[in-house]
Amino acid sequence: EIVVTQSPATLYVSPGERATLSCRASQSVSSDLAWYQQKPGQAPRLLIYAASTRATGIPARFSGSGSGTEFTLTISSLQSEDFAVYYCQQYNNWPPITFGQGTRLEIK
Amino acid sequence: QVQLVESGGGVVQPGRSLRLSCVASGFPFRGYAMHWVRRAPGKGPEWVGVIWADGSNKYYGDSVKGRFTISRDNSKNTVYLQMNSLRAEDTAFYYCARDRWNSAELDYWGQGTLVTVSS
Repeated sequence: EIVVTQSPATLYVSPGERATLSCRASQSVSSDLAWYQQKPGQAPRLLIYAASTRATGIPARFSGSGSGTEFTLTISSLQSEDFAVYYCQQYNNWPPITFGQGTRLEIK
Repeated sequence: QVQLVESGGGVVQPGRSLRLSCVASGFPFRGYAMHWVRRAPGKGPEWVGVIWADGSNKYYGDSVKGRFTISRDNSKNTVYLQMNSLRAEDTAFYYCARDRWNSAELDYWGQGTLVTVSS
């Protein structure tokens, strides 16, 4: 099973600044990686799939990059509504699918 | 708009069974594979399993294989998760999610239903 590791566990960033979240896979997953956002009491929301493709309705300030084992989610200018928990998920040669433990993005 | 609404969660004793339901609306349900994902308190999400659009194929995560069964009724726009032989470690929020294109990219999720396994 491919293990997915996210870092950092918690990231403190000021509104208007850039946030960079990392995701590492234990073996190559090509570009089969997605990012999700979850706020308390809400359903998870797909942000990015295929490592760098924004899902429908996702603002351009969200971008994904990487391939193989190293991936990054960048939020270019943080808005108040962006403070949440972010998960990455790999789906190379699925099943199974595996998720990271999450990065909590908090206001500095 | 796409909506997924889970129900059936609650408190159950170890060893007992529970069935969760997920009712879909706002899209042609019979055309999409559906997944179940769970998230235990303080942990990351864990994939439970998937059922193909026509119900012809089902796959499960190792931790639930042999105990959990996914089914669907396309006439009712509903997917089910039958959970047997429940354990304390099955305690989690359970979410159903739509598969974007048989790709395991989960483009819509429900809000989840909480299952607590405790004596």
